[in-house]
Amino acid sequence: DTEVTQTPKHLVMGMTNKKSLKCEQHMGHRAMYWYKQKAKKPPELMFVYSYEKLSINESVPSRFSPECPNSSLLNLHLHALQPEDSALYLCASSQDWTSGRASYEQYFGPGTRLTVT
Amino acid sequence: AQSVSQHNHHVILSEAASLELGCNYSYGGTVNLFWYVQYPGQHLQLLLKYFSGDPLVKGIKGFEAEFIKSKFSFNLRKPSVQWSDTAEYFCAVIAYRDDKIIFGKGTRLHILP
Repeated sequence: DTEVTQTPKHLVMGMTNKKSLKCEQHMGHRAMYWYKQKAKKPPELMFVYSYEKLSINESVPSRFSPECPNSSLLNLHLHALQPEDSALYLCASSQDWTSGRASYEQYFGPGTRLTVT
Repeated sequence: AQSVSQHNHHVILSEAASLELGCNYSYGGTVNLFWYVQYPGQHLQLLLKYFSGDPLVKGIKGFEAEFIKSKFSFNLRKPSVQWSDTAEYFCAVIAYRDDKIIFGKGTRLHILP
């Protein structure tokens, strides 16, 4: 099974709402990632979790709060978002991410298309 | 900072035409190289990868890529494209001892039936 699943597929939220995005993989991967992708642009890295610990935060605003409850799950908690945060949010996983080396190919989920109104 | 350049932003071809998409990167050391494809409405999928060994890499759906270290290039090729190859193609690089994958800006490929 080389699948990364994400829920929900679509999410519309107001600027005062609190919502969460969920990501799951059962490939035994120890690294998981959140990316943001705007239309016609490449994915932009937001966070990297390695062995359930936050390893990279690419200066993401605090209105995005990641959480890794266990090695298979990754959440992204959203609060007080802005309309410019509307995008496709992608989760990915890879076999490993050790000592700052991202050597392994990443498997991507289908994404959650987020619209902030 | 590392960077990845994809020369063609938008390519239009007829079915059965040959395809070559350019990709150059800026890092001078050891690299891992990837091509990802994103079909309309679908998620990013790995087409092929190069870590070491034979610089000519074969991937899924008849795609191949050649790593030319002296040119810092990893161009994607397919001898005969199909309408179903219409998609966005991203070249990506991980530099040795770097901590993240760097994506190119993507090439939008449109195949005319």
